[in-house]
Amino acid sequence: QKEVEQNSGPLSVPEGAIASLNCTYSDRGSQSFFWYRQYSGKSPELIMFIYSNGDKEDGRFTAQLNKASQYVSLLIRDSQPSDSATYLCAGNDYKLSFGAGTTVTVRA
Amino acid sequence: DGGITQSPKYLFRKEGQNVTLSCEQNLNHDAMYWYRQDPGQGLRLIYYSQIVNDFQKGDIAEGYSVSREKKESFPLTVTSAQKNPTAFYLCASSPDRISSGNTIYFGEGSWLTVV
Repeated sequence: QKEVEQNSGPLSVPEGAIASLNCTYSDRGSQSFFWYRQYSGKSPELIMFIYSNGDKEDGRFTAQLNKASQYVSLLIRDSQPSDSATYLCAGNDYKLSFGAGTTVTVRA
Repeated sequence: DGGITQSPKYLFRKEGQNVTLSCEQNLNHDAMYWYRQDPGQGLRLIYYSQIVNDFQKGDIAEGYSVSREKKESFPLTVTSAQKNPTAFYLCASSPDRISSGNTIYFGEGSWLTVV
C-alpha cells in the first residue's frame, strides 16, 4: 500500500467554482501534511502545510486534516485559470512521501 | 539570491554512459534530497542526506549514487546500471528533519533523456 494516495484526476471545474482535492495516508505516525502545486514542466512549490486536526485557511485555499480518518483535503475557492496545475499531497516521516497528484483544469 | 540550483536543466545520455546532475544550495540547510518524477506519477525518493558525509537510500536507489562532501552540494550520478533513466530529476533541501511547518524546497529540476 502506498503511504500517500490521492483521488484520481483529472478534475475540471468552471472559473469561480470550488475545487476539492482529497488525499489519504496509511502511516499514523505522520505528523505534518503538505500541499504542493506543480505547473507543467516546473518544480513543485509549497502552497500550505497542516499538522493539527481541523481546517487551516490561507487566502482562497483551505486545508483540512482528519487524523482519525487519515485523510487530508484541499479546497480551492473562487478557482481561477491560473490555478490549473497538478496538486501534490505529501506526508512526513523521515522524508516526504508524495501522492501521484491530481491535475486540476479551471475552465474560463 | 538564496535558493537551490540544479544543472544542467536538460541532459542527454547515451546508452552505457554515467552522467552527474549537480545540486547546490545556499540556504544553509542540513538535509538534501533527490527525487525522480515520471509522467503521471508522483515524486519518488532516490537518496537523501541529513548531514555531511552521510546519506541514505530512498525508495528507488538502484542505479544511482550520491556524495555529500560539502553541506552545500549533493550531486547525483545516474549510472549505466539504471535501465530507464529518462525522467525529471528534482533536488530539494530542508532546514532539518521534516516536521510541523518544516518542509522541503525544490530546485528547478533537470530533464534527463536517454538517446
